[in-house]
Amino acid sequence: QSVLTQPPSASGTPGQTVTISCSGGSSNVGSESVNWYQQTPGTAPKLIIYGDDQRPSGVPHRFSGSKSGTSASLAISGLQSEDEADYYCSAWDDSLKGFVFGTGTRVTVL
Amino acid sequence: EVQLVESGGDLVQPGGSLRLSCAASGFTFSSYAMSWVRQAPGKGLEWVSITSGSGGMRYYADSVKGRFTISRDNSKKVVWLQMNGLRVDDTAIYYCARGEVVAAPLDSWGQGTLVAVS
Repeated sequence: QSVLTQPPSASGTPGQTVTISCSGGSSNVGSESVNWYQQTPGTAPKLIIYGDDQRPSGVPHRFSGSKSGTSASLAISGLQSEDEADYYCSAWDDSLKGFVFGTGTRVTVL
Repeated sequence: EVQLVESGGDLVQPGGSLRLSCAASGFTFSSYAMSWVRQAPGKGLEWVSITSGSGGMRYYADSVKGRFTISRDNSKKVVWLQMNGLRVDDTAIYYCARGEVVAAPLDSWGQGTLVAVS
C-alpha cells in the first residue's frame, strides 16, 4: 500500500526548477530518513537521495532533498530532458515494520 | 561491480506457487539486508519483504504476510522469495534490492523478474 502521498505529475521547461512533495506520517517521514528513487521506463529504480538530503556518488548536484516534520521534498534544478522519469519517495515505517513508498510523480520536460 | 540478478518469474495460475531467486555478486553479501519490491503493470512501487544480513530478521508487507517467505543463503549469495497462494493482484515485476541494514536505503537494484498470475 502507498502510505506516502505525492502529486501525480510535475513539469517544467529545460533549465527550470521542479519540486515534488511527499507527505507522510509520524511513523515514517516524521521519524525516519526519506529516500528518493528515479525510474525511467523499462528500468529498475535508482536511488538519487538518501538520508533526507544526501546524494549518492554520481548523482548530479541539481537533485536536492529536504524534509520538515512529516513532509519531504525533492527539487530538480536546471531541469534537463534526461530528468524525465517517475520519482518515488520512500521511508521505513516503524509501525508497519517495512518500507513505504510514495504514490509516484511523473516528471515531464516540456 | 555490484550485481543483482533475479530469476524465476513465470506465468502461474491463481492459487499456485513460485520461487524467485536473486543472485548477488560484487559485494559482501552477508553484510547487507535484502529486500523484494514489486511493481504491478503501470503502477507504483510496493515493498514486499526484507531479510537482515544474517537472516535473523524478516519482515513482510501485510498484503503478502502468511503467503510469501523470504530466505537467504549467504554461502551461495542468494536470496529467495517463496510465493504461495498466488493471486491475480500479485502480478508484477519483482525486484530485489540491497540496503546496508534493515531500514537503510535501497542502493542497488536488480533488473527485475516478471510474475504473471492468470
